[in-house]
Amino acid sequence: SQQGEEDPQALSIQEGENATMNCSYKTSINNLQWYRQNSGRGLVHLILIRSNEREKHSGRLRVTLDTSKKSSSLLITASRAADTASYFCATHNFNKFYFGSGTKLNVKP
Amino acid sequence: EAGVAQSPRYKIIEKRQSVAFWCNPISGHATLYWYQQILGQGPKLLIQFQNNGVVDDSQLPKDRFSAERLKGVDSTLKIQPAKLEDSAVYLCASKPLAGGWAEQFFGPGTRLTVL
Repeated sequence: SQQGEEDPQALSIQEGENATMNCSYKTSINNLQWYRQNSGRGLVHLILIRSNEREKHSGRLRVTLDTSKKSSSLLITASRAADTASYFCATHNFNKFYFGSGTKLNVKP
Repeated sequence: EAGVAQSPRYKIIEKRQSVAFWCNPISGHATLYWYQQILGQGPKLLIQFQNNGVVDDSQLPKDRFSAERLKGVDSTLKIQPAKLEDSAVYLCASKPLAGGWAEQFFGPGTRLTVL
């Protein structure tokens, strides 16, 4: 499979703590995107990082990309109960998109 | 702006029956995707359209799945005949540009249960 793999599969933290999830992939990429999926709903795009970028920020989100290790990480700072969701990385390579298996984040109030 | 619309939201059928899903992308979006998301897994791309042409259908089980996007706007995905392992959420997504530089906008999905 060319899908990415997220780690950990599940993460439970207290509100206010930081959450870090990782994504590893197998092939070269044009860019990598992170999506959030709330229970029973569609996916929402969070952030895109290009293959020539190493770090990107958007609000409370920080994404890093290491193409030599074929890995990316998503950091959510000062988490809130509303951040409870599944988070997926998606790699883009020559018009092909591959989603990882996801990290299920639970933020306890 | 209206989002990606999908119908029905839920569908329950028996194995060997046929089923069709409908998707209306965001107005003006040239690229349309169909994904299959099995419970506990990430979405798997089934087919990608650019206007009314197929860009990638390498993961579409063509013996039972078919999809079309007539006139380059809305799209239908059909399963005939359905198997138990087709139970999943079928997601439609669209984006305005070709290539991977723009984010995909997802619809709410159709949850299919095959008994």
